[in-house]
Amino acid sequence: SQTIHQWPATLVQPVGSPLSLECTVEGTSNPNLYWYRQAAGRGLQLLFYSVGIGQISSEVPQNLSASRPQDRQFILSSKKLLLSDSGFYLCAWSVGGLAGGQTQYFGPGTRLLVL
Amino acid sequence: AQSVSQHNHHVILSEAASLELGCNYSYGGTVNLFWYVQYPGQHLQLLLKYFSGDPLVKGIKGFEAEFIKSKFSFNLRKPSVQWSDTAEYFCAVISGGSYIPTFGRGTSLIVHP
Repeated sequence: SQTIHQWPATLVQPVGSPLSLECTVEGTSNPNLYWYRQAAGRGLQLLFYSVGIGQISSEVPQNLSASRPQDRQFILSSKKLLLSDSGFYLCAWSVGGLAGGQTQYFGPGTRLLVL
Repeated sequence: AQSVSQHNHHVILSEAASLELGCNYSYGGTVNLFWYVQYPGQHLQLLLKYFSGDPLVKGIKGFEAEFIKSKFSFNLRKPSVQWSDTAEYFCAVISGGSYIPTFGRGTSLIVHP
């Protein structure tokens, strides 16, 4: 069966420090991968998605970037964190290689606090 | 662009009460529709989905949703809620052949025992 991992679970970082959040998927090949930010009462904001290695699409211009160095690895990064980057970050995957419209499967999330 | 509205942001019910959470979307073409649920301390997970066929869809834990194309709606229902249904519920829509879902803001449901 497929599993999705995110780490760390919680992170406290000073303003201006770099960020690296990692997401890995097991049990499937060539998944579509997604990064979301979840804010209370505001739903899920899609940040980035990827349909293949090295293919990254950005939905919201901001202080963050994403990379997909391997088929089942998706990394969210920042060179210098802002206070506004605080939030709950979710990674998700869906079945790749098909037409769109597929179910998303979410990881446990990373809670980031920037001080 | 697609937008999704969830009309109820906070719902408080007693056990055995009936539940209906509203979800409306804006794009009128082909859509795939989803309800996701996030129980306290757990992953966001799929509750039910509609791709095609019977517009009345049944999901886990006794939930169902009805797709009404003419109303651009996909409301979630459960005839008798339980304390364990306390969670946050998200409606999501994917338009046409897109890879990108649009999520509603979510509804926080609290069920008192």
